[in-house]
Order: sequence, then C-alpha cells, then structure tokens
Amino acid sequence: GAVVSQHPSWVICKSGTSVKIECRSLDFQATTMFWYRQFPKQSLMLMATSNEGSKATYEQGVEKDKFLINHASLTLSTLTVTSAHPEDSSFYICSAPRSGYSNQPQHFGDGTRLSIL
Amino acid sequence: AQKITQTQPGMFVQEKEAVTLDCTYDTSDPSYGLFWYKQPSSGEMIFLIYQGSYDQQNATEGRYSLNFQKARKSANLVISASQLGDSAMYFCAMRGGTGGFKTIFGAGTRLFVKA
Repeated sequence: GAVVSQHPSWVICKSGTSVKIECRSLDFQATTMFWYRQFPKQSLMLMATSNEGSKATYEQGVEKDKFLINHASLTLSTLTVTSAHPEDSSFYICSAPRSGYSNQPQHFGDGTRLSIL
Repeated sequence: AQKITQTQPGMFVQEKEAVTLDCTYDTSDPSYGLFWYKQPSSGEMIFLIYQGSYDQQNATEGRYSLNFQKARKSANLVISASQLGDSAMYFCAMRGGTGGFKTIFGAGTRLFVKA
C-alpha cells in the first residue's frame, strides 16, 4: 500500500486563490521531503527540499514567496501555491526517503493536478 | 553538477520482445545511486530498480535489469519480454554524492508496446 499520501489529487480553482497541498508519510518519519513539479510530457523538476523544523531549501529559479513550504512535523509537509495564476497549473508531486540509506528509493505521493482558471 | 541524460523521447517495442532504454549520467562524486522509475498515464511514480556506484554486479529485478557501465557513465534499463502494461514513461534518476538525498531525473522515455 501507499507509504506517502498526497492530498488533494485534483484541484481546480480561480486565479488569485491560494492552494495548499499536503504530503504525509504514513508509516515512517520523514525529516526530509521533496517537492517536484511536472509539466505535461516532461520530467520531474525538483522545486525544493522540505526540512522538518527548519526552512525549506529551494532550487534555483523557484520563487520562495510563490511556493511556501512548511514541514511542521515528522510526517507532514505542505506546499502552498500563493495567489495562483494559470501559469502555475501543473502536476505537483512529493516524495520522501524512508531511511537514511542512499540506496533506498524515494516513496512518492500520487501527485496533485492543479488547474488554475 | 550532477546531470542525467535520456536521449530517446519515445521508443516502440513489439510485445514479448526486449527493449533497452538509454541513460547516461554525469557526476564527479564517487558515491551515488541510480534508479529507474515508471510513470503510467495515471501519474504515480513506480520504483523499478536500483544500482549503486560501488555495486560490482548489474542489478536485476524480475523482467528489469540494469546495464551499468561505470566507466562510460551509463545505466541503461533493459526490459525483457515486454508486456502491453509496460507502456508508460520511464525515468532514469540519480541520488547521492554532493546532492545528498536529492534525486534528479532525466527527461524520460515514453515506451509504447505494440500488440
């Protein structure tokens, strides 16, 4: 079964709305989680690394004020797309490593399809 | 900087035949891990196979095997006995070294399995 839960699966909202996406690790603690963005027929682009109890680390070119990340507990990270506009429409997917070993694959949520009208 | 390159945007294979999806990578770190993921049209990421930079043998998982050529910095995925359900996007990914836990992905290859 799923070990990382992402909610909601689909969001359709009006331009200017802020949208919150949750990513939960279900049966393990995740001090680190990752947020990716994927445009249609393209690869996953890493947006930021979410760190429990500290500020997120954003990749170059990602607007920190547009994509707010909070990692308030060992099992929950949230991504808030603030004042969303149509160009923010995309597929957002989170992931978390289960253990500290680099040979372990990351566990991915099922993604959130965000459509801004 | 670390980089993953997949040069095949799309591949066709006949059902029951084998197919190789190419992946090359670039890193200056001696310790890293290479992964292949499958992404069906529904969007979820499915882990297929892992190869560590210090592993002496090529990884295998059922019908999936990884042709790891370290000197050439390539990590090609071989799918044997293709099935219609194998039609999907396939991503090569790398993690480790200076990137830490971060996983970076290649552009992906869309595989079409023909009946």
